[in-house]
Amino acid sequence: NAGVTQTPKFRVLKTGQSMTLLCAQDMNHEYMYWYRQDPGMGLRLIHYSVGEGTTAKGEVPDGYNVSRLKKQNFLLGLESAAPSQTSVYFCASSYFGGAYGYTFGSGTRLTVV
Amino acid sequence: GDSVTQMEGPVTLSEEAFLTINCTYTATGYPSLFWYVQYPGEGLQLLLKATKADDKGSNKGFEATYRKETTSFHLEKGSVQVSDSAVYFCALGNYGQNFVFGPGTRLSVLP
Repeated sequence: NAGVTQTPKFRVLKTGQSMTLLCAQDMNHEYMYWYRQDPGMGLRLIHYSVGEGTTAKGEVPDGYNVSRLKKQNFLLGLESAAPSQTSVYFCASSYFGGAYGYTFGSGTRLTVV
Repeated sequence: GDSVTQMEGPVTLSEEAFLTINCTYTATGYPSLFWYVQYPGEGLQLLLKATKADDKGSNKGFEATYRKETTSFHLEKGSVQVSDSAVYFCALGNYGQNFVFGPGTRLSVLP
């Protein structure tokens, strides 16, 4: 049972480039989330989804887009990367929100130069 | 809205010392409470949880009791090890709602 898998694990982008981060879960969870974690800081919610075909903005959505075309996948896109988006990105999933806990992926470390 | 407050640290202890990391919350309804641990370079892992008042969660020698009267969920361990060095997050969760995380507490255990 893989849980939550994030790809890639590391990436270096040049300013202005685009990329997509993939999150896949095999637990049949309804809810999925994208967070970013900056050095010495906690987690900030970027976007989330409460089911296939739905997305919603979190705390820091600017500069990111997401899609949830399949229940098991949640994609995070950066259309024009900026140095301020250098961070570690975590995906998480849950059954139906926070009451049952979240399962996290191992993270994607993104550097924008 | 719901919120979680936890001591921000950093906390530095010697091996075999007693650990307490305070966590208090404000919430509507009857949330579940969680402690997550993040080891260096890794994602967050569930350490323990409690789903109702007076429940005690425990794992790997860590314990926390859901105290509704004091709105607290303090994390304790009787004897810490160097391998416990990590960041610990307290979190609150309700059905159908997003998690509310505390800011995290960095623990360093010295040999």
